[in-house]
Amino acid sequence: ETGVTQTPRHLVMGMTNKKSLKCEQHLGHNAMYWYKQSAKKPLELMFVYSLEERVENNSVPSRFSPECPNSSHLFLHLHTLQPEDSALYLCASSQQGGDTQYFGPGTRLTVL
Amino acid sequence: TQLLEQSPQFLSIQEGENLTVYCNSSSVFSSLQWYRQEPGEGPVLLVTVVTGGEVKKLKRLTFQFGDARKDSSLHITAAQPGDTGLYLCAGVRNTDKLIFGTGTRLQVFP
Repeated sequence: ETGVTQTPRHLVMGMTNKKSLKCEQHLGHNAMYWYKQSAKKPLELMFVYSLEERVENNSVPSRFSPECPNSSHLFLHLHTLQPEDSALYLCASSQQGGDTQYFGPGTRLTVL
Repeated sequence: TQLLEQSPQFLSIQEGENLTVYCNSSSVFSSLQWYRQEPGEGPVLLVTVVTGGEVKKLKRLTFQFGDARKDSSLHITAAQPGDTGLYLCAGVRNTDKLIFGTGTRLQVFP
């Protein structure tokens, strides 16, 4: 497996469910990102991890909880989501200090 | 909040036509990137422009960075159906942080 992978590719969940999104990068990078892509809105940066430490939280509601156990893996834990949280969630990775980010294919999330 | 406005928002053209997509901001960026995103995939980096006034070519795609490093354009010559996708510009202010534009959705019909 090469590049940045994300699982699952599609997820449908109810507002009371708890689920997790997974991202894995095989590029030897040390920075990872979560973005939200909604219709009619620009890509929104949610979280940044650099050297496994969270360096940015872009005013994201606490129902989204990121976890970065090592430099290759990034999770986004979801609980008590709202229908307006339905979106494409993209993971990206880069070298710390570099401006080139490599994106995964995304997880299409639908909250009922 | 720094905002990058792209125009047009949507563009439908016939194969063989030329087109230009614009990316404008009131903020100065150290560099600017262009991405293409196809349905069901994440954005893929096409080019990074760094110097004000810089022009880069990638086959039929020509990218220009404004002299003041606040705006950029993407020109496609003789568009093909394979060029269909969402084109995103992204300004780089501080390293590791990208500010994405509003996007231009291009459809090229055979």
